[in-house]
Amino acid sequence: GAGVSQSPSNKVTEKGKDVELRCDPISGHTALYWYRQSLGQGLEFLIYFQGNSAPDKSGLPSDRFSAERTGGSVSTLTIQRTQQEDSAVYLCASRPRTDRKSYNEQFFGPGTRLTVL
Amino acid sequence: DAKTTQPPSMDCAEGRAANLPCNHSTISGNEYVYWYRQIHSQGPQYIIHGLKNNETNEMASLIITEDRKSSTLILPHATLRDTAVYYCIVRLITTSGTYKYIFGTGTRLKVLA
Repeated sequence: GAGVSQSPSNKVTEKGKDVELRCDPISGHTALYWYRQSLGQGLEFLIYFQGNSAPDKSGLPSDRFSAERTGGSVSTLTIQRTQQEDSAVYLCASRPRTDRKSYNEQFFGPGTRLTVL
Repeated sequence: DAKTTQPPSMDCAEGRAANLPCNHSTISGNEYVYWYRQIHSQGPQYIIHGLKNNETNEMASLIITEDRKSSTLILPHATLRDTAVYYCIVRLITTSGTYKYIFGTGTRLKVLA
């Protein structure tokens, strides 16, 4: 079946503008994660959804960042008043909730490359 | 949160075993060790995970020390397609009972022909 998809694949914006990044998880996956990967850095956890609720928002770097998930499926990460330090690749991952071994595995999307000028 | 420490880069000859070390000295008893790899411009890909026993699958082996403060990912016969950044990760459970994955900065493995 289809994997995790993200859109847009690339986004260039001007400092101060708002952006929305979209994640379509694998159908039926209840858990959804957002990560950020700055140039040459490892992955930085941002937020986690179980269904439509976000029990862990501890990774959001500032109140300019927010995320929502509707219908237990699509998630949107919104960055308001973007800054140059927000430039990074934003990765989304989903994970099923089953008793199978794959329960432990996150499936990552290809990411959205955000450039703030 | 628990942290992982990995060497920034390693080279390995094609066909030889690649041994990638990771330190996670602050790991707690119920926190798993995961390994993912990221090939250029792609999302990370799951490799293997373990708690305290050594694990093996079709991709790799994971050796965890008895004190669980470090682990080694072994690719038994590295190929050029194994060139990637390898992340050692600790999965912890938050106070809300959810999983959280702490990624380190990874090891850039280059397999040489």
